[in-house]
Amino acid sequence: KQEVTQIPAALSVPEGENLVLNCSFTDSAIYNLQWFRQDPGKGLTSLLLIQSSQREQTSGRLNASLDKSSGRSTLYIAASQPGDSATYLCAGPGGGGSNYKLTFGKGTLLTVNP
Amino acid sequence: EAQVTQNPRYLITVTGKKLTVTCSQNMNHEYMSWYRQDPGLGLRQIYYSMNVEVTDKGDVPEGYKVSRKEKRNFPLILESPSPNQTSLYFCASSFSGDRGRANGYTFGSGTRLTVV
Repeated sequence: KQEVTQIPAALSVPEGENLVLNCSFTDSAIYNLQWFRQDPGKGLTSLLLIQSSQREQTSGRLNASLDKSSGRSTLYIAASQPGDSATYLCAGPGGGGSNYKLTFGKGTLLTVNP
Repeated sequence: EAQVTQNPRYLITVTGKKLTVTCSQNMNHEYMSWYRQDPGLGLRQIYYSMNVEVTDKGDVPEGYKVSRKEKRNFPLILESPSPNQTSLYFCASSFSGDRGRANGYTFGSGTRLTVV
């Protein structure tokens, strides 16, 4: 069974700072990992999907990495802006052969202060 | 635009009154699933479907039903809603990737359900 942990649970930074959000998982047989953004009471927007054959994916100011051997993924946000304030969730396949379920972390609530 | 569409966005109902939340995707995805999100518990899978007429239980299926009669639609049915089903519900879809594994999910905007 896959377990996904995100640290820290909350993070507050001044505008312009570069930051890293952490995600760890227990099943190293993970074949991909997906990062989402969720605004309060809203849906989940997919940010980046990393396949196990890749080590990094980039989209604009976002860069996500995946290290299966250490059971870790990171989401790097460059030059943060107040509009980046949201909850960031990482999720991977359920583990134990469960290819049809995403197991989510509890998320990191990011606040970027002007 | 590729998307997953859920309706309604908000719903208040009374205990025991049957309701259906609809979900439709326009990406020809094989896999569809339902999740609920609760404070402190995160997102948990209710049911999933691997293709038309193929469904299976997720982690928290009690009190819910689903059907997959068409590839694009995956409705969630609460036959007798109870207050503990008050939650934020999400539908998601994914294509069948390498070795038939679900790969890359798109989520709907969510349905906030309140059962009184």
